[in-house]
Amino acid sequence: DAGVTQSPTHLIKTRGQQVTLRCSPKSGHDTVSWYQQALGQGPQFIFQYYEEEERQRGNFPDRFSGHQYPNYSSELNVNALLLGDSALYLCASSSGRGRLNTEAFFGQGTRLTVV
Amino acid sequence: GNSVTQMEGPVTLSEEAFLTINCTYTATGYPSLFWYVQYPGEGLQLLLKATKADDKGSNKGFEATYRKETTSFHLEKGSVQVSDSAVYFCALRTVDSSYKLIFGSGTRLLVRP
Repeated sequence: DAGVTQSPTHLIKTRGQQVTLRCSPKSGHDTVSWYQQALGQGPQFIFQYYEEEERQRGNFPDRFSGHQYPNYSSELNVNALLLGDSALYLCASSSGRGRLNTEAFFGQGTRLTVV
Repeated sequence: GNSVTQMEGPVTLSEEAFLTINCTYTATGYPSLFWYVQYPGEGLQLLLKATKADDKGSNKGFEATYRKETTSFHLEKGSVQVSDSAVYFCALRTVDSSYKLIFGSGTRLLVRP
């Protein structure tokens, strides 16, 4: 079992550009959540996808959007990048929704640097 | 609202010393509680969890007990090793419809030989 895999591992972008990050969940998992971890901070919830729909969203602007595919893999898109978007982006997968949701497993993350 | 507060680091200990990392929480309802560990350059790994009051989570010599009366979930280990050096995050899983994780700011542990 490959666990949760994310790509790329590192990325450097310029302010104003757009970026797409990818996540493949752990085998058997159907729910994907994305978190942003700024340097020296704990992860912050961005949004969660289940059955190809965004189910829950944290306090992030509309520049952050996502997608989930029928095979449960997911993308995180960030438009009009700001310097403050520099962070480690973590994908977490789990199974089920709501009260049936199992514990989350995290990927290694994508380190995004905006210059 | 929901929040998690952890003791600030870094915590520096000698090998075989006793470890305590304090964690308190504020939550609506009765959330599940977790400790995650992050090694340098890596993602988060689940260390242990507790889903209801008085539950004790344990793994790899680490323990934490869900204390509803003090809203705490302190992490302990009787004898730390150099390989335990990492950042430790306390987290709760909300009981609203999102069931998202709310993390503390993390505590860096450095264990010296």
